[in-house]
Amino acid sequence: SQTIHQWPATLVQPVGSPLSLECTVEGTSNPNLYWYRQAAGRGLQLLFYSVGIGQISSEVPQNLSASRPQDRQFILSSKKLLLSDSGFYLCAWSLISYEQYFGPGTRLTVT
Amino acid sequence: GENVEQHPSTLSVQEGDSAVIKCTYSDSASNYFPWYKQELGKGPQLIIDIRSNVGEKKDQRIAVTLNKTAKHFSLHITETQPEDSAVYFCAGSDSGTYKYIFGTGTRLKVLA
Repeated sequence: SQTIHQWPATLVQPVGSPLSLECTVEGTSNPNLYWYRQAAGRGLQLLFYSVGIGQISSEVPQNLSASRPQDRQFILSSKKLLLSDSGFYLCAWSLISYEQYFGPGTRLTVT
Repeated sequence: GENVEQHPSTLSVQEGDSAVIKCTYSDSASNYFPWYKQELGKGPQLIIDIRSNVGEKKDQRIAVTLNKTAKHFSLHITETQPEDSAVYFCAGSDSGTYKYIFGTGTRLKVLA
C-alpha cells in the first residue's frame, strides 16, 4: 500500500532563516505531487504541484520554491523565511485517477 | 477557472442527528468531487468522493449527492457520533488539470 511521509512534524524558525521541508511517497510510481499551505483555521492553498521529476508548477508567487529531485520526493524550500510563511504545510500525492492523499503535515512557526 | 463555495462554516448537531454540508461549483466541466475530514493537527483524510456520471454515493453513514444541473453537491452524515467532530472540506477538480479547488471548510461539532 502507499504511504506518504513528511518531516519534520514541527519546526520553529527565525525570520530570515532558510527552510527545507521534505515529502516522500512509498508504494507507487510517477505520482503527481502537491504542496499546500493551511493558515490557522483556514482552507487549503495550493502552492506547487509536479507531474514528474524536475517539472514544477507554481500556483502563487511568493517566498517559496519547490523541487522534485526524485520520482517520489518533493521538497519545499525558502532562502529567507518571512513571518507570513507560518502555517501548516501539507504534501499530497495522486495518480491519474484523481484521488489525492495527504501526508501528516509540518507545522511551521516563524518567529 | 473553478470556484467552490462551501456552507455552512460551522455546524453543531446533537449526537444521533444528521448533518448536511453543501458546496457549489462554477465550472460545468468539473467531473470529480471529493470530501475530506481533517482532525486537529492532522492532514485531511479522503472520506468519500463522487464523479460526475453518478448522482449519489453511500458508504455506511456517509453519503454524497451531486446535482450537475444546479452545480452543487452535498455531504450527508447520518447518526452522527462525537468522533465525527472535525473540519470537513469539499473540493472540485479543475478541468484539464490534476488540481483541486477546495471549499473553505465546515467545522462540525457533534454534541453528546
